[in-house]
Amino acid sequence: AQTVTQSQPEMSVQEAETVTLSCTYDTSESDYYLFWYKQPPSRQMILVIRQEAYKQQNATENRFSVNFQKAAKSFSLKISDSQLGDAAMYFCAYRTGNQFYFGTGTSLTVIP
Amino acid sequence: EPEVTQTPSHQVTQMGQEVILRCVPISNHLYFYWYRQILGQKVEFLVSFYNNEISEKSEIFDDQFSVERPDGSNFTLKIRSTKLEDSAMYFCASSEKRFYEQYFGPGTRLTVT
Repeated sequence: AQTVTQSQPEMSVQEAETVTLSCTYDTSESDYYLFWYKQPPSRQMILVIRQEAYKQQNATENRFSVNFQKAAKSFSLKISDSQLGDAAMYFCAYRTGNQFYFGTGTSLTVIP
Repeated sequence: EPEVTQTPSHQVTQMGQEVILRCVPISNHLYFYWYRQILGQKVEFLVSFYNNEISEKSEIFDDQFSVERPDGSNFTLKIRSTKLEDSAMYFCASSEKRFYEQYFGPGTRLTVT
């Protein structure tokens, strides 16, 4: 069964500092996609970054980057130069076929 | 920038009543999804829809649930006889192609009393 684990229910970071959110997943599939979604207090899910499993290069999107370790089934999100607007719930998600599997989320607080 | 929209933003209904949650996916997208998020819990997949039929569904999506694309723009989720445990945030999502990222709507908060 596919599962996604986020072991950090809460994290905090000083504004302008860097924070890493961890995610591990379990799958027997070879073809899949991984995502990080952000859910601010407005509750709308916003795509932050996406990684194709067949790509070895880590995805980067401005201040957001991932450390994808396929053998270890690890997919962490690094947020550089944290901003107040980064405060949100972050969900790691794994997708195979048409199904998404979400982790339980990490609540990120940004301290001014 | 195109976005997924959902109506209503909040729906309150009595137990046993039928509700229809509406979504307008992004216009050139072909794959549509419903998810739910019970307060304080993770987002759970309900169903995916492509080419006017369900392509995948989870065990949550039982006979009380149905989906429909009644016209070229709307995508609806119907709950026939709501239960207290159906209270949750329901998110609609759409994607252009099968393995592409899904764009989520703002959600409908369903409260069953």
